[in-house]
Amino acid sequence: GENVEQHPSTLSVQEGDSAVIKCTYSDSASNYFPWYKQELGKGPQLIIDIRSNVGEKKDQRIAVTLNKTAKHFSLHITETQPEDSAVYFCAASSGDKLTFGTGTRLAVRP
Amino acid sequence: DVKVTQSSRYLVKRTGEKVFLECVQDMDHENMFWYRQDPGLGLRLIYFSYDVKMKEKGDIPEGYSVSREKKERFSLILESASTNQTSMYLCASSFTGRSTEAFFGQGTRLTVV
Repeated sequence: GENVEQHPSTLSVQEGDSAVIKCTYSDSASNYFPWYKQELGKGPQLIIDIRSNVGEKKDQRIAVTLNKTAKHFSLHITETQPEDSAVYFCAASSGDKLTFGTGTRLAVRP
Repeated sequence: DVKVTQSSRYLVKRTGEKVFLECVQDMDHENMFWYRQDPGLGLRLIYFSYDVKMKEKGDIPEGYSVSREKKERFSLILESASTNQTSMYLCASSFTGRSTEAFFGQGTRLTVV
């Protein structure tokens, strides 16, 4: 089955700096790669996703890149703000089931 | 707005008890999922249902069972709770077909003592 690895497990950045989280996947059939943000006491919520026919997608301060050949994808957050502090999960899917990474706890220092 | 509602936020049960975790979604989604979340392990799929009365084992089904008698409701059952089942449990739902967004409930933190 699919295996998704995520790094780093924790990340601390100064407010205004950029943050990058990286994931690799094992199943070449995977074609959908969402990113979820989980705030304290809440369930994960989708923040951006990308499909395998696209190399990059941007939504305001958030961008995701996908390298199908190398089987890795990354989340980029620019101009970080304190409200970006949360746990972020990457995931990969070739059908209806998502396989998640182990999560990255992002702390944005004011 | 899609809503996935889990019946309890916090639950404390004794070892050996039968435990029911309930999840309801209001978006007419075909798929429903139960995940377990543990620090450093991410979200691991316990069971998946793609239709009423249909289910599929996930990565860690041992010690769990599920029930889906109605499209909107998906129950996770711990037949005989054990301390190693102390965890955060997350329910999710999505449309079937091409990979689509999964919507999550707020989670149930279960403690087995």
